Amino acid sequence: QSVLTQPPSASVTPGQRVTISCSGSSSNIGSHAVNWYQHLPGTAPKLLIYNNNQRPSGVPDRFSGSKSGTSASLAISGLQSEDEADYYCAAWDDSLNGVLFGGGTKLTVL
Amino acid sequence: QVHLVGSGGGVVQPGRSLRLSCAASTLIFSVYDMHWVRQAPGKGLEWVAVISYDGNNKYYVDSVKGRFTISRDTSKNTLYLQMNGLRPEDTAVYYCARPGMSLTVTDARNYWGQGTLVTVSS
Repeated sequence: QSVLTQPPSASVTPGQRVTISCSGSSSNIGSHAVNWYQHLPGTAPKLLIYNNNQRPSGVPDRFSGSKSGTSASLAISGLQSEDEADYYCAAWDDSLNGVLFGGGTKLTVL
Repeated sequence: QVHLVGSGGGVVQPGRSLRLSCAASTLIFSVYDMHWVRQAPGKGLEWVAVISYDGNNKYYVDSVKGRFTISRDTSKNTLYLQMNGLRPEDTAVYYCARPGMSLTVTDARNYWGQGTLVTVSS
């Protein structure tokens, strides 16, 4: 079964750095680019990273993405209270012939 | 920039049907592959379906295959999701989207509707 696995939660203090992992397989991350989204309740998801490590215009360089093999990571440095949100990775999956979202990571800024 | 406005959600009994619509603000809509993504209460984002820019290619998550149909009317700049045989587990906020992802590439073109709530309950 194709899945993208993320840690369900992460807690950090302001100013610190956090890395959120996304583990997949050869049919998804291993073969396709990864996107990362930030989602706040009641709002549309915001695209933070596309094509593994590219930032859309307007996304601060505190956010960075990387991919190696069948895993990807989102790093956020200089954490701020406004970064408290749910974060999702996503990639196309050849086995499903569709898009897979990770289960999401709830980031808490203490 | 593309502005998307979703509509058509509501409360429906199990087994019944509902059609969601998503109106786009610009003709550029016609060149984009478009998706439906949902979020059940207390759950994460789940991709539902995608349709190619020309309507010729459609893909669905396994749980909705045979029950949901994605379509588009380019003349009306509108995306649709026909949902038949609805189940309680289909209860979710449904987003139409071009989520920085087409059928072939990922890019920065990230557009989402405001979400429309579908509740399946007797």
